[in-house]
Amino acid sequence: GAVVSQHPSRVICKSGTSVKIECRSLDFQATTMFWYRQFPKQSLMLMATSNEGSKATYEQGVEKDKFLINHASLTLSTLTVTSAHPEDSSFYICSARSPGPADTQYFGPGTRLTVL
Amino acid sequence: GENVEQHPSTLSVQEGDSAVIKCTYSDSASNYFPWYKQELGKGPQLIIDIRSNVGEKKDQRIAVTLNKTAKHFSLHITETQPEDSAVYFCAASIGNSGYALNFGKGTSLLVTP
Repeated sequence: GAVVSQHPSRVICKSGTSVKIECRSLDFQATTMFWYRQFPKQSLMLMATSNEGSKATYEQGVEKDKFLINHASLTLSTLTVTSAHPEDSSFYICSARSPGPADTQYFGPGTRLTVL
Repeated sequence: GENVEQHPSTLSVQEGDSAVIKCTYSDSASNYFPWYKQELGKGPQLIIDIRSNVGEKKDQRIAVTLNKTAKHFSLHITETQPEDSAVYFCAASIGNSGYALNFGKGTSLLVTP
C-alpha cells in the first residue's frame, strides 16, 4: 500500500513553455501533498504544501505565480511550471501524507524536467 | 530557520559491516523523524521512522535511535549488503504538526563487496 505516482517521469521542453506534472496517491486519500525540488547531489527542498480544496502554501522564495499548484481531489495534485527557463531544470518530487495519526509521507518517483 | 544537520556526507563500508548515520535537529517541537533511502534517479523511499515518544525502533537490519534531550537521532544498518548502497536522508517534522519535513543534506553510502 501507500503508493504515490508521478507523471511524466521525465520531460524536455523549450524555454518559455509551461509544463504540468501530476502527482497521484493510488491507494489512499491524501488531504495534504507536498512538492519538493532536488538539484543534483543535493537534498530535497520543500516548495509548497498542497491542501485539497484550498490554496497551496508556498515556502519563502518560491514564486507562486510561476509554480502553480492545484489539489482538486483527494488523490491528485498538479504542479505547473509556467514560462519555464533553463534554471527551472531540476528533479521535482511530490509526497502525499497518509491519513490518520501516522502522518507518514510517501514519495513519488520524481519528474526530471529539462528546459532547453 | 530550523534545520537538520546530517553526518557523514559520504560513508564507505565493507559488506557485512555496520553503518551509522547521525542527524541533529534544532526545532524542539519536532516530533516525527523519518529516514529515507534514495537510489539514483528515483524518489525517496521510507525505510524507517520514529516518533518522539519512543527512544528506539528496529526493523530487521535497520534501527533508529532518538535522543530528544540532545536533539539527535541516528540510523543503524547492520550486516550491510551492496544493495544498501544509496543516498540516505534523515528528516524532522517542522513543528509538531507532523506535516512538512526538513531534510538533512544526505549521506551517500557505498557498500563494497
